[in-house]
Amino acid sequence: AQSVAQPEDQVNVAEGNPLTVKCTYSVSGNPYLFWYVQYPNRGLQFLLKYITGDNLVKGSYGFEAEFNKSQTSFHLKKPSALVSDSALYFCAVRALFRGYSTLTFGKGTMLLVSP
Amino acid sequence: ETGVTQTPRHLVMGMTNKKSLKCEQHLGHNAMYWYKQSAKKPLELMFVYSLEERVENNSVPSRFSPECPNSSHLFLHLHTLQPEDSALYLCASSQETRTGELFFGEGSRLTVL
Repeated sequence: AQSVAQPEDQVNVAEGNPLTVKCTYSVSGNPYLFWYVQYPNRGLQFLLKYITGDNLVKGSYGFEAEFNKSQTSFHLKKPSALVSDSALYFCAVRALFRGYSTLTFGKGTMLLVSP
Repeated sequence: ETGVTQTPRHLVMGMTNKKSLKCEQHLGHNAMYWYKQSAKKPLELMFVYSLEERVENNSVPSRFSPECPNSSHLFLHLHTLQPEDSALYLCASSQETRTGELFFGEGSRLTVL
């Protein structure tokens, strides 16, 4: 079964510093990987995805993610964190549920950016 | 209006009530989903509708009943719920034949008393 793991419940970083939110995956075949962000009392917003091609994927709000096949990882990164980046981040992998395409999500990582 | 719209945003109901959550997508997608988000738990896929055909997750209790009258609308009918059903219910849509990216609504926060 397709799955992702987010090993950190929370990541703390100071504003202006680089941030990394970790994700590892377990899939059979080629992975389709995604990152979403959720602000308080809101739905999930799409940030970026990896389907194929360049291992460094650029997304919304200055975020990027690096696909590493040998380490089965898809870590989310940003060179300089903002306080407004504080939110809950979800890594996800495309999965088939009874033949239909769905997403399986990690448990989420809370990012807290301090001023 | 664009995207995925969910109503109501907040709902409080007793265990004997019957209520419904509504979702509408304006993206022209052909698949719609209900997910449940509980505190400190991964998002749980409840139902998938693809081309209006329902795909069940057998772990979902029968007190949750989905309805998809057309490709743009999705309902989740609720009856005789339990307090542990209190959660954020998220609707999403996708163009199923593409890369699997889901577009989410803002969610309906349900509290069962």
